[in-house]
Amino acid sequence: AQSVTQPDIHITVSEGASLELRCNYSYGATPYLFWYVQSPGQGLQLLLKYFSGDTLVQGIKGFEAEFKRSQSSFNLRKPSVHWSDAAEYFCATIIQGAQKLVFGQGTRLTINP
Amino acid sequence: NAGVMQNPRHLVRRRGQEARLRCSPMKGHSHVYWYRQLPEEGLKFMVYLQKENIIDESGMPKERFSAEFPKEGPSILRIQQVVRGDSAAYFCASSPRQEAGEKLFFGSGTQLSVL
Repeated sequence: AQSVTQPDIHITVSEGASLELRCNYSYGATPYLFWYVQSPGQGLQLLLKYFSGDTLVQGIKGFEAEFKRSQSSFNLRKPSVHWSDAAEYFCATIIQGAQKLVFGQGTRLTINP
Repeated sequence: NAGVMQNPRHLVRRRGQEARLRCSPMKGHSHVYWYRQLPEEGLKFMVYLQKENIIDESGMPKERFSAEFPKEGPSILRIQQVVRGDSAAYFCASSPRQEAGEKLFFGSGTQLSVL
């Protein structure tokens, strides 16, 4: 079955440091992949998506993600985090043939000043 | 253009009571999705509705849960005889067409607490 896994439940980085959040997918064909951010008390906001084509995807708020078929990964990166990036981040994929998203468990990001 | 509106933001119910969660999609959106987020977990799909039709309810518990999206008015997720395990954040999302990802917009959720 299609799924995504986020191995890291909680990550802490210092403000200004680089960030990489891991996401691994399980699917034989090319999946549709997404990264969402959920700020405290808010709904989910789409950061970026990958459907096909260029494997390096640029998103909003300075985030990018790289699709690596050989590693079944779609890791989210940011070169320099800001305190406002503290939030929960979810990787997701679409179930092929159905109109529903499957989410990873989420990674909580804490920023140290 | 207001986003997806969910109310109430917080809902407290005692065991056995009914919970009604409302979702008003974005203007022009006729497709609504409900997701549930249990503590320390990601969101899980519950149901997908279009106006007056349930398209996919494969994620809905078989008992006590129901959803509707009438021709007029918001979409309603109804939970009868709530139990403590129903405590979760319930998110609604809407889209202008059959679309699960790119054009999907989420509301801020309703946090249901069952005492």
